[in-house]
Amino acid sequence: GESVGLHLPTLSVQEGDNSIINCAYSNSASDYFIWYKQESGKGPQFIIDIRSNMDKRQGQRVTVLLNKTVKHLSLQIAATQPGDSAVYFCAEKMNAGGTSYGKLTFGQGTILTVHP
Amino acid sequence: NAGVTQTPKFRVLKTGQSMTLLCAQDMNHEYMYWYRQDPGMGLRLIHYSVGEGTTAKGEVPDGYNVSRLKKQNFLLGLESAAPSQTSVYFCASSYSRGGEQYFGPGTRLTVT
Repeated sequence: GESVGLHLPTLSVQEGDNSIINCAYSNSASDYFIWYKQESGKGPQFIIDIRSNMDKRQGQRVTVLLNKTVKHLSLQIAATQPGDSAVYFCAEKMNAGGTSYGKLTFGQGTILTVHP
Repeated sequence: NAGVTQTPKFRVLKTGQSMTLLCAQDMNHEYMYWYRQDPGMGLRLIHYSVGEGTTAKGEVPDGYNVSRLKKQNFLLGLESAAPSQTSVYFCASSYSRGGEQYFGPGTRLTVT
């Protein structure tokens, strides 16, 4: 079946460093991707998204890169802060046309730890 | 604007007991979802709703029932709890079919 996976389950960085979290996807019909952040004891929180007709999108301190050739998604966090420590999930959504409700398929998550 | 809220936050059940988890959203979203989150499994969709009065099965619907009698509420029921249903349950909602999903804070359920 189709799946979304992560290369690294854990990532430890020093405060101020840049972080890169990777995600591989296998569903070529996916046209929308989302990164979520989940802090301990809380629900996932939207960070940034990207559609398949783009290869890069920037937000505040975050950048998402999409490489459709190798089906790879990454989240870059600039000047990582202790408050960025959390689990980061990527999610993909197949084309939501027709009868599809826009199902999200989530990866397992990467634990990001930022050391002061 | 509270967003998505869930009650209760924690619950312990014995095998065979029943309970209902309540999800409420105040964003006037049409779409609502129930997920479970288990270690190493990511988030898996249990049931979802595309509008008031409608429900549909997700990836792992067995052992659960849902109802959407009001647009703002989505209830998840366990008729006869099993230890395999020990998990953290998240509710989410979205405005449109392809839109961003907003998540609640979760309910931690333990079945002994």
